[in-house]
Amino acid sequence: DVKVTQSSRYLVKRTGEKVFLECVQDMDHENMFWYRQDPGLGLRLIYFSYDVKMKEKGDIPEGYSVSREKKERFSLILESASTNQTSMYLCASSPTGQERFFGPGTRLTVL
Amino acid sequence: SQKIEQNSEALNIQEGKTATLTCNYTNYSPAYLQWYRQDPGRGPVFLLLIRENEKEKRKERLKVTFDTTLKQSLFHITASQPADSATYLCARGGYSTLTFGKGTMLLVSP
Repeated sequence: DVKVTQSSRYLVKRTGEKVFLECVQDMDHENMFWYRQDPGLGLRLIYFSYDVKMKEKGDIPEGYSVSREKKERFSLILESASTNQTSMYLCASSPTGQERFFGPGTRLTVL
Repeated sequence: SQKIEQNSEALNIQEGKTATLTCNYTNYSPAYLQWYRQDPGRGPVFLLLIRENEKEKRKERLKVTFDTTLKQSLFHITASQPADSATYLCARGGYSTLTFGKGTMLLVSP
């Protein structure tokens, strides 16, 4: 089975802090994705990566950056956390770019 | 933009009945549609992918149809069980452009 793990299930940070969300997959997938999920808005793509050191902006990249130094690891960085970044963050990987295998999610609260 | 719509109202059914969830899309037909299950506070779990040229696909108690004329996919769970209670998401599109619907909550009563 594909396993995607995320570093924290719950995280509380203060406005202005730099926040790192880590994601690791164990299936050697080329493609990795970061989404956020908010009530009434559904899943929205923040960034994705189709190879090591490669990254592409998704629909809502503002206020975020990513890093992919190793194939199995994809990090999401909030440069200066704001209250409107309070959300559920979901990482996913994919072997083909079609189906997504999601991690358990990180519920981030920014105070 | 490529929209995908699911019924926002929860679907309540009795155990043993067939649940049918609807996903409608706009504009051109996507190459494929996908269905996911999501439990509260958890990440979505991939269930099925159906391609444009496949009218129907089955996996155990699950069946998905793809009607390009109606611009619609139907998701069926036969012999539903309380454990099937969850939110089901439909998604359309390709690589980075995979667009998710907001999901329909299914509640199966014993």
